Amino acid sequence: GQQLNQSPQSMFIQEGEDVSMNCTSSSIFNTWLWYKQDPGEGPVLLIALYKAGELTSNGRLTAQFGITRKDSFLNISASIPSDVGIYFCAGQLGNQFYFGTGTSLTVIP
Amino acid sequence: DTEVTQTPKHLVMGMTNKKSLKCEQHMGHRAMYWYKQKAKKPPELMFVYSYEKLSINESVPSRFSPECPNSSLLNLHLHALQPEDSALYLCASSHTQGDTQYFGPGTRLTVL
Repeated sequence: GQQLNQSPQSMFIQEGEDVSMNCTSSSIFNTWLWYKQDPGEGPVLLIALYKAGELTSNGRLTAQFGITRKDSFLNISASIPSDVGIYFCAGQLGNQFYFGTGTSLTVIP
Repeated sequence: DTEVTQTPKHLVMGMTNKKSLKCEQHMGHRAMYWYKQKAKKPPELMFVYSYEKLSINESVPSRFSPECPNSSLLNLHLHALQPEDSALYLCASSHTQGDTQYFGPGTRLTVL
């Protein structure tokens, strides 16, 4: 399968700080998705990106579809405790999505 | 409405048991998926149904048997599982195969 590398693998930040994470691949993708997953729950879709260079926001979250179509970025501004969880990117190639390795976010109050 | 429901929420079964996981969506989606997820790992694709026909089987052992009785329902029949099959089983759906996927809350399966 396709390899999507997410970094960082984990983050420990203070409440109120901004967060940046990214997802990179050697393959070109047609769609990028960002999900958040709480322990024991299913992934929840945060943002979907459909065009190279696209920048989309959802509240305090902003994601970008990289211009090379091989990467995507997610930023969270002014983090709060409920931002804790694992964030996964997913890239679409053909009729399948491939998931990144995940970024675990811990927010310290 | 982007809701996918899964039952049961938790399931404990012995290695000789037969059980089924159920998934339902009423978004009119024509593609449905089963994923297996181990702790702190990304979801791993198991099966894809497109228009109620099996489209992808990612070389899943035959002790897992999927079924799509209609466009809203997806089942996963389990038989003679192994302890290493313990995981979170996720169902997802999308408008058509390859479109944005929406996940259910998952079934936490423990095989004793």
